[in-house]
Amino acid sequence: GNSVTQMEGPVTLSEEALLTINCTYTATGYPSLFWYVQYPGEGLQLLLKATKADDKGSNKGFEATYRKETTSFHLEKGSVQVSDSAVYFCALSGMGANSKLTFGKGITLSVRP
Amino acid sequence: DSGVTQTPKHLITATGQRVTLRCSPRSGDLSVYWYQQSLDQGLQFLIQYYNGEERAKGNILERFSAQQFPDLHSELNLSSLELGDSALYFCASSVGFATEAFFGQGTRLTVV
Repeated sequence: GNSVTQMEGPVTLSEEALLTINCTYTATGYPSLFWYVQYPGEGLQLLLKATKADDKGSNKGFEATYRKETTSFHLEKGSVQVSDSAVYFCALSGMGANSKLTFGKGITLSVRP
Repeated sequence: DSGVTQTPKHLITATGQRVTLRCSPRSGDLSVYWYQQSLDQGLQFLIQYYNGEERAKGNILERFSAQQFPDLHSELNLSSLELGDSALYFCASSVGFATEAFFGQGTRLTVV
């Protein structure tokens, strides 16, 4: 079945540091890939998505590129802010019977001033 | 605001009891998903409905059941509750398949 693997956390960065969160996946066919963010006490919010190979999703300064050759979808941001402190989830959605969202374990990011 | 509404926000109940969680999807969305989030298990997919029919089943216990009604709202029923069922339960909705899903704020269930 489909699966998503995220790097282990938590991650603590200083404000304005570069962020990279690794995500790799296993799926048959051509899944759609997503990053979700969960702020404390809230539900998950879609951060960005990519639906085919080499697509780049971007939003709020975050970017991720769908790399089929390495089955990866790493999340990057050039300069993090304190307000980016949250839990980040990588997810994929397959086709047909596998259309449900499969999530990675999530990683907690803390950004200190 | 995602447009997905879950009620109640918080629920405290005793072991052995039964509860019903409710979800109203975004307007126009036909798919509804239920997820359980706990500290040790992460986000676990429970079940998916599409236009009233069950479409996919995940790690849903036999004590749990769900349905989607003709007006597309969904209910998750949890019975014979155990302490280990304490978790955040999220509902999400999407237009169809293989598209992004939008999540509600969740129902925090505490079993005492």
